[in-house]
Amino acid sequence: DTAVSQTPKYLVTQMGNDKSIKCEQNLGHDTMYWYKQDSKKFLKIMFSYNNKELIINETVPNRFSPKSPDKAHLNLHINSLELGDSAVYFCASSPWGEGYEQYFGPGTRLTVT
Amino acid sequence: GNSVTQMEGPVTLSEEAFLTINCTYTATGYPSLFWYVQYPGEGLQLLLKATKADDKGSNKGFEATYRKETTSFHLEKGSVQVSDSAVYFCAAFSGGSNYKLTFGKGTLLTVNP
Repeated sequence: DTAVSQTPKYLVTQMGNDKSIKCEQNLGHDTMYWYKQDSKKFLKIMFSYNNKELIINETVPNRFSPKSPDKAHLNLHINSLELGDSAVYFCASSPWGEGYEQYFGPGTRLTVT
Repeated sequence: GNSVTQMEGPVTLSEEAFLTINCTYTATGYPSLFWYVQYPGEGLQLLLKATKADDKGSNKGFEATYRKETTSFHLEKGSVQVSDSAVYFCAAFSGGSNYKLTFGKGTLLTVNP
């Protein structure tokens, strides 16, 4: 059973389009996250949600809008895609609290042309 | 907020060589510390962690000790294998208003037979 799954795995689209990435976890965790990994492998948190409530929004452009319909899902919608949005996006989940491991999904490679 | 500085790579070693990847952090208080590993084309997996000073995390022959006095969490392995080739990330987590995992820039390790 996959713990944290993301769809799609690859996404190729043109500038100006709108796209969504879906994430689901079956671990029963309260907290979910979106990270962006750039071409140099640098990882930066974008958003975190706890029990469907937004906890962290790390100065991400308004074109990015996360949505958590329930504790097990955290989707990422991106409007008006730009070349600079090309990256690998990772979803993760964990229990709420310090010291807990975060479980990462396999990533979605977004390429904007 | 927290910041994590880790040795920049790439690091290239021969099989059975000794590995050290340095990691230091700055934080308010005492964060939980983690090493994650990313194999090619995959998401991140927890390698080991330590949640308080002088704790030693260990897994798969890798070790790291939480040193409060030097704010360090260096990763070591006595004898690396080709299968250890991956990107290694040091990370720090604090709760409260800064509830997020902050990553270092990652270190690419290549082990040659």
